[in-house]
Amino acid sequence: EAAVTQSPRSKVAVTGGKVTLSCHQTNNHDYMYWYRQDTGHGLRLIHYSYVADSTEKGDIPDGYKASRPSQENFSLILELASLSQTAVYFCASSRGLNQDTQYFGPGTRLLVL
Amino acid sequence: GDSVTQTEGQVALSEEDFLTIHCNYSASGYPALFWYVQYPGEGPQFLFRASRDKEKGSSRGFEATYDKGTTSFHLRKASVQESDSAVYYCALAPNSGGSNAKLTFGKGTKLSVKS
Repeated sequence: EAAVTQSPRSKVAVTGGKVTLSCHQTNNHDYMYWYRQDTGHGLRLIHYSYVADSTEKGDIPDGYKASRPSQENFSLILELASLSQTAVYFCASSRGLNQDTQYFGPGTRLLVL
Repeated sequence: GDSVTQTEGQVALSEEDFLTIHCNYSASGYPALFWYVQYPGEGPQFLFRASRDKEKGSSRGFEATYDKGTTSFHLRKASVQESDSAVYYCALAPNSGGSNAKLTFGKGTKLSVKS
């Protein structure tokens, strides 16, 4: 069974502060992704990575950085958190990119005040 | 660019009703089409996929048929249960390869089933 875990599961942050969301997968997958979920927008891709020490921009990368220190770990970093970044964030992994099934973590609920 | 349009907002049904959630896509060639389901408090999970025209995907009583002519992949279930209450996402992945071959999701449709 595919396993993607995220920490923390919820977080309250202050505007202008730094936030780091962590993701860990035990699937031995090469690809990892960060999405944000907002009502009315569905799931939107922020960053993704296909190999350790390399990340790629997704569709909405502004205000976010990503880090992939190992195949298993992928972090999303908000250097200066803003109110508009309040959302639920999901990490996912897949074996390949094109048409492979993605396996999602349980999500992190972020509230920026 | 690629896009997915699905039934907007919420669908409210009673148990044993027939379900249809519409999904239409815009993409070149033959993208792979997916349905994901998200239960409250969880991440989305894969339901099924199809990659060729007229191919049917199915799982847990849900099914959808890839229709290249109408660019559609509508989700159907003959008799819904309260446990089917969830948000359903249609998604596509292009078959073109390269760094742009990412999964594109629709905005999601919330299904609420009353007993």
